[in-house]
Amino acid sequence: DSGVTQTPKHLITATGQRVTLRCSPRSGDLSVYWYQQSLDQGLQFLIQYYNGEERAKGNILERFSAQQFPDLHSELNLSSLELGDSALYFCASSGLGYNEQFFGPGTRLTVL
Amino acid sequence: GDSVTQMEGPVTLSEEAFLTINCTYTATGYPSLFWYVQYPGEGLQLLLKATKADDKGSNKGFEATYRKETTSFHLEKGSVQVSDSAVYFCALTYAGGTSYGKLTFGQGTILTVHP
Repeated sequence: DSGVTQTPKHLITATGQRVTLRCSPRSGDLSVYWYQQSLDQGLQFLIQYYNGEERAKGNILERFSAQQFPDLHSELNLSSLELGDSALYFCASSGLGYNEQFFGPGTRLTVL
Repeated sequence: GDSVTQMEGPVTLSEEAFLTINCTYTATGYPSLFWYVQYPGEGLQLLLKATKADDKGSNKGFEATYRKETTSFHLEKGSVQVSDSAVYFCALTYAGGTSYGKLTFGQGTILTVHP
C-alpha cells in the first residue's frame, strides 16, 4: 500500500459527459502528479501541483483540468469525453526533492 | 526533449533464468533514473533508483547501474521467480528545474516467468 488513494476505482460513462477523479496523497506529501496510461500512448504525464499551485503541465488536453485543494487532495476533471479518453488514470505524490513518487492504484475510465 | 527507450517485449523466461531488460535514455541534463514495476491490476511501485552516474540501484534481487557514457540503465536479476511476472517501466526525472519532477517513462516491458 503506497498510501495514495484514488476514487473511484472504475468509471463507465458515455461520450460527451464529464467526470471527476479524486486523489488523496500520502500524508505530508505536497506534490501531486496525474498520469494517463493507455495502450497506444503508454504512460504520459498530465499535470503536477505543489501545495495548491500548478507546477508543470504535460500532454494534457484543454478539455481536462485539475486542481489541488487546501487539504492537499487533488481532482482531475475530464469533460466532453471521447472514446479515446478511455484509459487508466494514475495519481502519484511525492515529498521534498521530487525524486521518488508513490502511485495510487489508478482509476480505470471507460467511455462508451 | 527527454525520452526513454526500453527493449521490445514481451519477455518470457523459465523460473531461475537470468533477466536483462534494456533501457536507454536521451536527456538534456543529468536525470535520476528509476525502474517501476506494475503487477496485474495494481498501480506502479518503485523497484529501484539511481540518482547519479555510476550509482547502482538494487532491491529484491534486481539491480541496475546508471551508465552515463552509454546513457543506459539496464535492469538485471540473476534468478527470476514466477512472482516477478509483471510490467517493468524505466523512467527518468529531474530533481529541479522546469520539469519539477515529472516522470518520463519508457513503453514498458511485459515479463512472464513460467515454472
